[in-house]
Amino acid sequence: SQKIEQNSEALNIQEGKTATLTCNYTNYSPAYLQWYRQDPGRGPVFLLLIRENEKEKRKERLKVTFDTTLKQSLFHITASQPADSATYLCALNQAGTALIFGKGTTLSVSS
Amino acid sequence: NAGVTQTPKFRILKIGQSMTLQCTQDMNHNYMYWYRQDPGMGLKLIYYSVGAGITDKGEVPNGYNVSRSTTEDFPLRLELAAPSQTSVYFCASNDRDAMDQPQHFGDGTRLSIL
Repeated sequence: SQKIEQNSEALNIQEGKTATLTCNYTNYSPAYLQWYRQDPGRGPVFLLLIRENEKEKRKERLKVTFDTTLKQSLFHITASQPADSATYLCALNQAGTALIFGKGTTLSVSS
Repeated sequence: NAGVTQTPKFRILKIGQSMTLQCTQDMNHNYMYWYRQDPGMGLKLIYYSVGAGITDKGEVPNGYNVSRSTTEDFPLRLELAAPSQTSVYFCASNDRDAMDQPQHFGDGTRLSIL
């Protein structure tokens, strides 16, 4: 079955730097990948979706890449701010409707 | 719009008790989902529904039941609570198949079974 791994449980960076989070998957390439943000005590909030035929997607300071050869997606936050501190979840489609989620990477941005 | 609303926010149950976690959405979404999230783990799909009257099992359905009598509501039932069901439960919805649409989540129900 499809497995999804987010390599780092925690990532600590300085304000103003670029944060890069990794999402790897096994087996078949999904049609798309999604990234969500989750704050403590809250539900996940959708950020970006990237399809298998897209190499890169941007939204303001966020950038997502999708490499089907490496079976990997990278999530970048440029000019990071303390307000970006949260847990970021990667998700991809399994057969049909279901999404499977990674365990998440907790980002801490210090000023 | 309120989006996805879950009640209660917190609950403590004794082993063997039953309860229903409520979920309602006001976006007229056809697809609804129940997940559980254990500490340090990803979201695991319990049940989902593609429309009123239609439900299906996810990855971890044992010990749970669902119903979908209206588009808006998708309650999750625990019949005989067990300590292994201590978790945070999230309800989500989207307009159609997840391959096309991101999911909208509620803020969760934190359930402890003692």
